[in-house]
Amino acid sequence: DGGITQSPKYLFRKEGQNVTLSCEQNLNHDAMYWYRQDPGQGLRLIYYSQIVNDFQKGDIAEGYSVSREKKESFPLTVTSAQKNPTAFYLCASSIRTENYGYTFGSGTRLTVV
Amino acid sequence: GENVEQHPSTLSVQEGDSAVIKCTYSDSASNYFPWYKQELGKGPQLIIDIRSNVGEKKDQRIAVTLNKTAKHFSLHITETQPEDSAVYFCAANAGGTSYGKLTFGQGTILTVHP
Repeated sequence: DGGITQSPKYLFRKEGQNVTLSCEQNLNHDAMYWYRQDPGQGLRLIYYSQIVNDFQKGDIAEGYSVSREKKESFPLTVTSAQKNPTAFYLCASSIRTENYGYTFGSGTRLTVV
Repeated sequence: GENVEQHPSTLSVQEGDSAVIKCTYSDSASNYFPWYKQELGKGPQLIIDIRSNVGEKKDQRIAVTLNKTAKHFSLHITETQPEDSAVYFCAANAGGTSYGKLTFGQGTILTVHP
């Protein structure tokens, strides 16, 4: 089955640590996105990539970094510079050539302990 | 950039009633408006979408309407069922070189009481 896989489902981070969230898709989609979800704030865009080896900052990129070395993969690193990293993180992908709905992963819940 | 406002933030209905969720957008270049349903602990799923060349689209109990002049679009769910209970998000795309990038509304928590 084609889809988008996020791992792990739950992640715990100590203060001052960097952590990397995985996102892999086998839909042959060109574009991939990372969103952060907090209660009452909807989905806020962190980073997006429309093509391999290229990515753009979204609305809340500070404290995060990404890479796009392969079409299938778009990992997100939450660095120690992110002041309030506890949140639900969603990865999505879409066909780049026209406006089309996203396919979302099932999310990673990150908690700082 | 695009700004999307969604109302209401919570909506409670009785089974069998209709539910309506409304969104407004700011960018007149937006031309694609999807709606997503998110169940607890899961990622959002696309349930219906509309493009700016049509004013209404239906899929069984779900319909979406679009008013480009007023820059608002709405989700209508008829004959609601308890399994419709979820968080619903509207979204609008960005124009220009950022095409494909979606801006989401704040979400509506829909509760359908049996």
